[in-house]
Amino acid sequence: EVQLLESGGGLVQPGGSLRLSCEASGFTFRSYAMSWVRQAPGKGLEWVSTLSATGGSTYHADSVKGRFTISRDNAKNTLHLQMNSLRAEDTAVYYCARGGDSYFLFDHWGQGTLVTVSS
Amino acid sequence: EIVLTQSPGTLSLSPGERATLSCRASQSVSSNYLAWYQQKPGQAPRLLIYGASGGATGIPDRFSGSGSGTDFTLTINRLEPEDFAVYYCQQYGSSPNTFGGGTEVEIK
Repeated sequence: EVQLLESGGGLVQPGGSLRLSCEASGFTFRSYAMSWVRQAPGKGLEWVSTLSATGGSTYHADSVKGRFTISRDNAKNTLHLQMNSLRAEDTAVYYCARGGDSYFLFDHWGQGTLVTVSS
Repeated sequence: EIVLTQSPGTLSLSPGERATLSCRASQSVSSNYLAWYQQKPGQAPRLLIYGASGGATGIPDRFSGSGSGTDFTLTINRLEPEDFAVYYCQQYGSSPNTFGGGTEVEIK
C-alpha cells in the first residue's frame, strides 16, 4: 500500500523559513516523480513544485520560484520542501503527492501538513 | 496558463440521483490530459479520472469522465452517501498544470 507521510509544518513568522518532509513507503520511491501541492484554508488546490525521479529536473510555480526548493533523498525514501522568505499567502496545508503516468498527474497523496505564516 | 472553470459551484442532489459536473478550459487541453479528484472534508484529494476518461485504480464504475478539447464532464451515476464531496478538475498537459475551483456535491 502506497503511503506518504508529511511532517515539518507549523507556525512561522513572515520572512522565516521552514522545511517540510514526506516519508514514502509501499512503492519504489526512486522510480517516481514527486510533488508538493498546497491548499489555503477554505480554498482550492494549487500545485507548488515537482521533482523528477532522479532529481535531475525540478519545476516550481511562479508564486514560489526563487523562495522554495524541492529535493529528495532516494536512499531514505524522503521528499523535502525547503521554504524561505515565507509570506502570509503561503499559509496552507501542504500535500506530498506521487506522480503517475505524467509527472503532474497525482495518483497518491499524503494527509498533508499545515503551514501557518503569521506574526 | 490554462484557466479551468468548474460549474456549478454547488450541486444539491439526493442519494441515487445522477451528478453531472462541468470543467471548461480557457484553451485546448493538450492530449486531453484532464484529471478529476475527489476531496472529502479533512481528507487529502483522491484521483478518480485521468486522461479525461480513464478510471483510476479502485474507483467504482459509477464514476465516468468524458470530453475533449476545452469541455469536460464528470458523471456520477446513482450517488452513494460517500460521494458527497468536493470535486476538482486538473489539466496536466501544459505547464504550469492548473486546477479548477471545485464543485461541491451536497446532499439535498
